[in-house]
Amino acid sequence: QKEVEQDPGPLSVPEGAIVSLNCTYSNSAFQYFMWYRQYSRKGPELLMYTYSSGNKEDGRFTAQVDKSSKYISLFIRDSQPSDSATYLCAIFKISNFGNEKLTFGTGTRLTIIP
Amino acid sequence: EAGVAQSPRYKIIEKRQSVAFWCNPISGHATLYWYQQILGQGPKLLIQFQNNGVVDDSQLPKDRFSAERLKGVDSTLKIQPAKLEDSAVYLCASSPRIQETQYFGPGTRLLVL
Repeated sequence: QKEVEQDPGPLSVPEGAIVSLNCTYSNSAFQYFMWYRQYSRKGPELLMYTYSSGNKEDGRFTAQVDKSSKYISLFIRDSQPSDSATYLCAIFKISNFGNEKLTFGTGTRLTIIP
Repeated sequence: EAGVAQSPRYKIIEKRQSVAFWCNPISGHATLYWYQQILGQGPKLLIQFQNNGVVDDSQLPKDRFSAERLKGVDSTLKIQPAKLEDSAVYLCASSPRIQETQYFGPGTRLLVL
């Protein structure tokens, strides 16, 4: 079983729709939850991060974490064509040994249709 | 603030040849990472440096891959000899310290024929 599972899509939605992207994880020791956005032929860029269960909002983006279900979500409201990209969930575990590792999902390729 | 720089951006080689990638992290960032991203997958950590020391290289195929970070700034990743399955994007990232936000470079796209 992979530590982080993410539906690869692709996902196509019309402009203005609400987008829901999801990941599940298996290791309850994971502590930080992140969403990265990766445009074609670019490196990933951090979109949002959270470390507690609940919602965190930033403009049109909302990150949601449910630690009891080991489930994380990213919602995009009023989606725009510029949101078309691959969205990667990433989970970070902190240890006492200095070898913390960021574990990524496979990424969901999203296309917003004008 | 300048971002993470990587070169070359693209490289095509034949199997069994060698190749090297270069990374210049954001100025002042102590931690540097190399990731491998195979098409359709998320990035996988190959090696992590703290200054010029290796923190984690558990997923680096050490029989063919090597990396160094001399003087705790720039880093090179080498593959020798390359295999077909090494075709991927090699991403470099840096962070001010361990446990802080990682900033990624644009990556080097490698195709092994």
